[in-house]
Amino acid sequence: ELKVEQNPLFLSMQEGKNYTIYCNYSTTSDRLYWYRQDPGKSLESLFVLLSNGAVKQEGRLMASLDTKARLSTLHITAAVHDLSATYFCAVTNTGNQFYFGTGTSLTVIP
Amino acid sequence: EPEVTQTPSHQVTQMGQEVILRCVPISNHLYFYWYRQILGQKVEFLVSFYNNEISEKSEIFDDQFSVERPDGSNFTLKIRSTKLEDSAMYFCASSSQGWQAFFGQGTRLTVV
Repeated sequence: ELKVEQNPLFLSMQEGKNYTIYCNYSTTSDRLYWYRQDPGKSLESLFVLLSNGAVKQEGRLMASLDTKARLSTLHITAAVHDLSATYFCAVTNTGNQFYFGTGTSLTVIP
Repeated sequence: EPEVTQTPSHQVTQMGQEVILRCVPISNHLYFYWYRQILGQKVEFLVSFYNNEISEKSEIFDDQFSVERPDGSNFTLKIRSTKLEDSAMYFCASSSQGWQAFFGQGTRLTVV
């Protein structure tokens, strides 16, 4: 079974600071996704990374993919309170089944 | 913007009862999925559905579960003889080409 691990599991950071969330996966996958989930809510698609070296940015979030290392990062720049949420990475197998990471619960402190 | 819709948003059921969770995928999407998330835990794959049949299912998706597409638009997950440990948020998702799934808002199932 494809395994996806994230770290850290919990992240508390001050507003204005930068931090990176890491996502490792166990077998080859050409697609990596980042989702955001607010408490009690659904999963909101943030990024889809389709190739090695792909980098995407949206506001204060930037995601990158290294397929050789089987690693993706989600970098947060100058965090603001609105970014507080749980962030999941996910990869797909050949059957298009999504395997989700453990999630990173981010709390941005004013 | 098209979205996946799920009903009900919250279902409370007694242990041993059957429940049906409903989903309306995005029109023209061909791939459908059910996932569940036990409170505070990660999202777990249950089953994927393509071309009117199950394409893949996880170990969780045992004989207690079944999926149907009864009328060409709705996509349902039936859970027979519910157990306490079935309490979770159940998410339906759809995708047009098998990648980038769009998730519904979820159904919170509480088994008492």
